[in-house]
Amino acid sequence: SQTIHQWPATLVQPVGSPLSLECTVEGTSNPNLYWYRQAAGRGLQLLFYSVGIGQISSEVPQNLSASRPQDRQFILSSKKLLLSDSGFYLCAWIHLQGHYGYTFGSGTRLTVV
Amino acid sequence: GEDVEQSLFLSVREGDSSVINCTYTDSSSTYLYWYKQEPGAGLQLLTYIFSNMDMKQDQRLTVLLNKKDKHLSLRIADTQTGDSAIYFCAATYSSASKIIFGSGTRLSIRP
Repeated sequence: SQTIHQWPATLVQPVGSPLSLECTVEGTSNPNLYWYRQAAGRGLQLLFYSVGIGQISSEVPQNLSASRPQDRQFILSSKKLLLSDSGFYLCAWIHLQGHYGYTFGSGTRLTVV
Repeated sequence: GEDVEQSLFLSVREGDSSVINCTYTDSSSTYLYWYKQEPGAGLQLLTYIFSNMDMKQDQRLTVLLNKKDKHLSLRIADTQTGDSAIYFCAATYSSASKIIFGSGTRLSIRP
C-alpha cells in the first residue's frame, strides 16, 4: 500500500535560518507531489507541485523553493526564513487512478521566531 | 480564475444534521472532494464525487452536486462530537494535475 512520510512534525527556527522539510512516498512510482501551506486559521495554499524528477512548478512567488532529487522524494527549502513563513506545511501525492484525490502527510508545524 | 469558496463557520446541535456548502468556478472540474482536518493533523479524504453524478451517499455522509450552479454540499447526519473539525471542499482543475481547496469550514458541535 502507498504511504507518505513527512518530517519533522514540529520545528522552531529563528528568522534568517535555513529550512529543509522532506517528504517521501512509498508504494508508488512517478507520483505527482505537492507542497501546501496552511497559515493559522486559514485555508490551504498550493506552494509547489512536481510531476517528475527535477520538474518543479511554483504557484506563488515567495521565500521558498522546492526540489525533487528522486522519484519519491520532495523537499521544501529556504535559505533565510521570514516570520511570515510560519505555518503548517503539508506534503501530498495524487492518485492518478480512480478518484484522483490527494493523500496528505501528517504535516510539519513550523514556527519562525 | 480557479476558485473554491465556502463559509468559515458552522455550529450545530449534537444529533442534528450538518450541511456544509461550497461553490466552485471551473465548470470542467472532474472530481470534487470533501476533506476533514482534525486539530494538529493533516487532511483526510472523507468522500468524493465524480462530476457526472448528482448525489453520493456513504453512511452518515451525503454529497450533493449541482453542476449547473457549480454548488457542492456535504450533509452529515446525526452529527456527533467527533465530527468537530475543519471541512475542506476541493475541486480538480483541467489545467494541471492539481486540486484547489476552499478555505475550510470549521464545524463546532454544541450539546
